[in-house]
Amino acid sequence: DGGITQSPKYLFRKEGQNVTLSCEQNLNHDAMYWYRQDPGQGLRLIYYSQIVNDFQKGDIAEGYSVSREKKESFPLTVTSAQKNPTAFYLCASSILNIGTAEAFFGQGTRLTVV
Amino acid sequence: GQNIDQPTEMTATEGAIVQINCTYQTSGFNGLFWYQQHAGEAPTFLSYNVLDGLEEKGRFSSFLSRSKGYSYLLLKELQMKDSASYLCAVVDSNYQLIWGAGTKLIIKP
Repeated sequence: DGGITQSPKYLFRKEGQNVTLSCEQNLNHDAMYWYRQDPGQGLRLIYYSQIVNDFQKGDIAEGYSVSREKKESFPLTVTSAQKNPTAFYLCASSILNIGTAEAFFGQGTRLTVV
Repeated sequence: GQNIDQPTEMTATEGAIVQINCTYQTSGFNGLFWYQQHAGEAPTFLSYNVLDGLEEKGRFSSFLSRSKGYSYLLLKELQMKDSASYLCAVVDSNYQLIWGAGTKLIIKP
């Protein structure tokens, strides 16, 4: 079955540590996105990529980094520079730009800093 | 600034009809999406409107008025499985999505 997979579902991190969230898709989509979801707020865009080896900052990129070495994979690293990393992280992909086509989301990773 | 407003929470009865409103003020408009998100799960696509009017898809319909900056999602014949959050997202001038905070819909028997 085609889809988009995020792992792990739950992640605990100690303050000062970097952590990487995985996102893999087998939908052959060019565009991939990382969003952060906090209670009472809309999804906020962290980074996006519309082609391999290229990515763009979203609205809240500070303290995060990404890579896009393969079409299928778009991992997100939450660095120790992110001041408030505890959140629900969603990865999405779409065949075209997310503003022009249906987006498919992964199940999310809930990150907790302890 | 950019602003998307949706009610925080709504309650409805199984078998009834509910309308979830979304008003927006954004820099440009290139369409509006509705997504459904069950608690702790992935959002899933429901509808897309770019022209004024009503789009019907089974029990779900979505309406858009660009002049009023207004959309609604209409759910008919409500089922318990419709208990979820409903997210409104506007496509801005850069073809990125501006998301509302979502409306949590509670269905009671």
